[in-house]
Amino acid sequence: AQSVTQLDSQVPVFEEAPVELRCNYSSSVSVYLFWYVQYPNQGLQLLLKYLSGSTLVESINGFEAEFNKSQTSFHLRKPSVHISDTAEYFCAVSTGAAGNKLTFGGGTRVLVKP
Amino acid sequence: DTGVSQDPRHKITKRGQNVTFRCDPISEHNRLYWYRQTLGQGPEFLTYFQNEAQLEKSRLLSDRFSAERPKGSFSTLEIQRTEQGDSAMYLCASSLAQGLSSYEQYFGPGTRLTVT
Repeated sequence: AQSVTQLDSQVPVFEEAPVELRCNYSSSVSVYLFWYVQYPNQGLQLLLKYLSGSTLVESINGFEAEFNKSQTSFHLRKPSVHISDTAEYFCAVSTGAAGNKLTFGGGTRVLVKP
Repeated sequence: DTGVSQDPRHKITKRGQNVTFRCDPISEHNRLYWYRQTLGQGPEFLTYFQNEAQLEKSRLLSDRFSAERPKGSFSTLEIQRTEQGDSAMYLCASSLAQGLSSYEQYFGPGTRLTVT
């Protein structure tokens, strides 16, 4: 079975400062990796994904994540956050089994302060 | 397309009552998933359908839980004899089982269940 650990449950950060959200996974087989974002009172939205190819993936709103197989990590970064980035962020993995079901980490709540 | 919808958004019930939730996926999506999210935790997989067939069920899905997708479109999740431990957000997601698109799950807003 696979598991996902998000080491930080909450990350307070000032507006325009950089942020890094850490995600480590455990799996005996190859995985596909995802970051989802949940804004207040909204459903989960896919932020970015790694399926194959370049280990650095980017989102349209300035986030990036890098797949590091040796470290079994998929950390999420943004060089300069906005107030609107306040949300909960979930890292997830899929092995491709069971219809590509997702295994999620516990989430990291990002609070951007002015 | 308006995305994945779930009904109701909130449900308060007394312990021992039965409840049923509905999920309408994105119209062309043939896979439908149910997840449960408790406070402070990430979502946990419950079950999934490909068309009308239920192909996988988690051990979290006790005998009191049943899910259906009778015509391969909307799905229902029923909980019988609810317990306080069933209080959670129930999330539905859908995807298209076709190539790389099959890895992109689109989530609904969830149904928040409170068992008193």
